[in-house]
Amino acid sequence: KAGVTQTPRYLIKTRGQQVTLSCSPISGHRSVSWYQQTPGQGLQFLFEYFSETQRNKGNFPGRFSGRQFSNSRSEMNVSTLELGDSALYLCASSLGVLAGLGNEQFFGPGTRLTVL
Amino acid sequence: AQSVSQHNHHVILSEAASLELGCNYSYGGTVNLFWYVQYPGQHLQLLLKYFSGDPLVKGIKGFEAEFIKSKFSFNLRKPSVQWSDTAEYFCAVVIGNEKLTFGTGTRLTIIP
Repeated sequence: KAGVTQTPRYLIKTRGQQVTLSCSPISGHRSVSWYQQTPGQGLQFLFEYFSETQRNKGNFPGRFSGRQFSNSRSEMNVSTLELGDSALYLCASSLGVLAGLGNEQFFGPGTRLTVL
Repeated sequence: AQSVSQHNHHVILSEAASLELGCNYSYGGTVNLFWYVQYPGQHLQLLLKYFSGDPLVKGIKGFEAEFIKSKFSFNLRKPSVQWSDTAEYFCAVVIGNEKLTFGTGTRLTIIP
């Protein structure tokens, strides 16, 4: 079974631009979560989608948004990029909704975003 | 809000030494606990997880963790580390209906 895939793997943008990252979950998985990983803050939860609905959201500004399609693929968008948005963005998928049901998350390789 | 503390930021051990990495979480209701590992240049991988039942959980590659409810802890252990265990280790917790929260990670360096 193929794992979680993320595209692109690397991205360089300049301040003020916007970016869209894509995530394809493991076949059959309906939940997709996004995380931001930086050396200073570690792994921080962005949001979780299940059946095209946002189930949970972290403490990020409204410039960070996402969506999920009917085939469970998900996209994350960041508008008006700032230098501090440089990070590794990780996507993870699980069979069901993560919280409280003991579902295990499987992580993708991440998209390394550099904002200049 | 739930929080996770990993007190060891960087641990350096010699091969064959025993390992214990600390993880404490904030008080909450039903708890799901995880340890993830990120080897250099690789994806985050699940080492082990605790949902319910036996508080001593065995994972892959000889790792184990013990859930001690009274101490709000879920420490990771391995009796004899190898050079290939060099990686970053993350403790994570889901309490109730909240999101998965990660600790800041512990970088483990094994000296051959």
